[in-house]
Amino acid sequence: GQQVMQIPQYQHVQEGEDFTTYCNSSTTLSNIQWYKQRPGGHPVFLIQLVKSGEVKKQKRLTFQFGEAKKNSSLHITATQTTDVGTYFCAVTNTGNQFYFGTGTSLTVIP
Amino acid sequence: DTGVSQNPRHKITKRGQNVTFRCDPISEHNRLYWYRQTLGQGPEFLTYFQNEAQLEKSRLLSDRFSAERPKGSFSTLEIQRTEQGDSAMYLCASSLVGEGEQYFGPGTRLTVT
Repeated sequence: GQQVMQIPQYQHVQEGEDFTTYCNSSTTLSNIQWYKQRPGGHPVFLIQLVKSGEVKKQKRLTFQFGEAKKNSSLHITATQTTDVGTYFCAVTNTGNQFYFGTGTSLTVIP
Repeated sequence: DTGVSQNPRHKITKRGQNVTFRCDPISEHNRLYWYRQTLGQGPEFLTYFQNEAQLEKSRLLSDRFSAERPKGSFSTLEIQRTEQGDSAMYLCASSLVGEGEQYFGPGTRLTVT
């Protein structure tokens, strides 16, 4: 199946600091999705990126799709305790079957 | 509509027993996905349906696993002769064709003793 690397695996930040997680694929992707999973919860859809070089913003979250459509990043500005959770990228090269990364677990220290 | 629902939420079974899980997707969603998630890992794709047709199945999926979506609405996932390695959270998600966004249910946590 599709191989997708996500780094870092864990990130601890002080509240107010920024956070970035990266998702990398060895193959060109059709699109990429980002999900957030709170402890004990289920994944919740955040965004889908389709176009090469696409950048989308949701309040303090900025999502970027690489020019070659092989990587993506999620950046959170000025983290808050409500940002705690695991952030997953999900990739596809067909638009049908999705492969999730291993996730980045974010801890925000008040 | 209250979203994707899954039953049961928890299942404890003995090794060798068969188990069946149910997923009720958002009513107008024509795509339904099954995933398995273990601690510290992302959801692992198992299979997906478009309406009642099962279009893809993971090559890693054992023959002990079978899924159905007989009328294009709810779906069931059956695991026969369960093994301890089957212990995991089984997640169901639904979406609309062409929109991509997947809505996940709360999952069924399976423990095989």
